Amino acid sequence: AQKVTQAQTEISVVEKEDVTLDCVYETRDTTYYLFWYKQPPSGELVFLIRRNSFDEQNEISGRYSWNFQKSTSSFNFTITASQVVDSAVYFCALSWYSSASKIIFGSGTRLSIRP
Amino acid sequence: DGGITQSPKYLFRKEGQNVTLSCEQNLNHDAMYWYRQDPGQGLRLIYYSQIVNDFQKGDIAEGYSVSREKKESFPLTVTSAQKNPTAFYLCASRTQETQYFGPGTRLLVL
Repeated sequence: AQKVTQAQTEISVVEKEDVTLDCVYETRDTTYYLFWYKQPPSGELVFLIRRNSFDEQNEISGRYSWNFQKSTSSFNFTITASQVVDSAVYFCALSWYSSASKIIFGSGTRLSIRP
Repeated sequence: DGGITQSPKYLFRKEGQNVTLSCEQNLNHDAMYWYRQDPGQGLRLIYYSQIVNDFQKGDIAEGYSVSREKKESFPLTVTSAQKNPTAFYLCASRTQETQYFGPGTRLLVL
């Protein structure tokens, strides 16, 4: 079965703290893609990153970093020095080679950054 | 500007009424998707289309219909058979394995 689990329903931290959002996935395919999207209060989903299953290198983009570990089927997202503008719902998602590029989403983590 | 537009932003449906949500993209993407999001939930796939004049049901297609007559347009009709249509509807298009989303339409039942 293909599945994405985001166990953290809500996280609240004070501004400038670092925060990590967890994502665990299940898939039988050897070729797959993992994604993170941000959904601010306006509702639109904003694409943040795509990782394919053959590339386990961690990635850093400004204050954002992603840790992909196939051994634990995890694709965690860390925000360093969080800001109030980071407040949003964050979704982890999975697509796999035989899926006709359909994506399945986790249930999301609501992140609140307090000033 | 290139992107995905959805209209209207808010839509109200009366009992027994069919309503159509618009989704247009000028990104020249072949594949387009419709999702439904309920409060506090993730996204669920309604329908998708990989090419003009072709579309497939997603996980929750009952009570919905689509058409794909033009590459840039993928309208979704919420029919009277959909008994619980109140939700946020998101349209997406895809390139290079990544889906990009429109701003969404919030549908409310009167």
